[in-house]
Amino acid sequence: AQTVTQSQPEMSVQEAETVTLSCTYDTSENNYYLFWYKQPPSRQMILVIRQEAYKQQNATENRFSVNFQKAAKSFSLKISDSQLGDTAMYFCAYQSYNTDKLIFGTGTRLQVFP
Amino acid sequence: NAGVTQTPKFQVLKTGQSMTLQCAQDMNHEYMSWYRQDPGMGLRLIHYSVGAGITDQGEVPNGYNVSRSTTEDFPLRLLSAAPSQTSVYFCASSYSGGGRYNEQFFGPGTRLTVL
Repeated sequence: AQTVTQSQPEMSVQEAETVTLSCTYDTSENNYYLFWYKQPPSRQMILVIRQEAYKQQNATENRFSVNFQKAAKSFSLKISDSQLGDTAMYFCAYQSYNTDKLIFGTGTRLQVFP
Repeated sequence: NAGVTQTPKFQVLKTGQSMTLQCAQDMNHEYMSWYRQDPGMGLRLIHYSVGAGITDQGEVPNGYNVSRSTTEDFPLRLLSAAPSQTSVYFCASSYSGGGRYNEQFFGPGTRLTVL
């Protein structure tokens, strides 16, 4: 069975600085998707970024980028130029190619300070 | 296009009471699922469905029942609520089909407290 581990329960960063959230996963599959979701205080789940395992190039979405290391089974999220609105819980998630089920990590609570 | 809707937003139950959490989507998605979110445990899959008349268990199905009589609706039933079911519940939906990416859309969640 696949598992997703987020070892940083809480992190903080100053506005305009860069922060990296860590995620590792365990799988025997070769084809899969990885995601980072943001959950602000409103509780809504928001997809931040997606990585397809067969793509070597790291995904980027504006200030958000990932460092995908397939052999090491590592999938970190880098937030550049942090903004107060980035304050949220961030979840790393895994999805097999052949199912629709998402497997989530336990989350990292990020606080951005002025 | 309302997306994924959940009702109610908040609910307080007494131990042993029953209730149904409603989930509906208007995007003609085949796949629907229920998650529960607990502090320090992330989101865990309760039940899911890949189409009308088809349901299956997820990681934490005990104490919950589901049915899928239509494509649009996927209610979650608690037959006899227990304090351990105090949680935030999310419904999600997507198109279904292995081998291609289908974005999952989440509802706003239901906060349930069982006293």
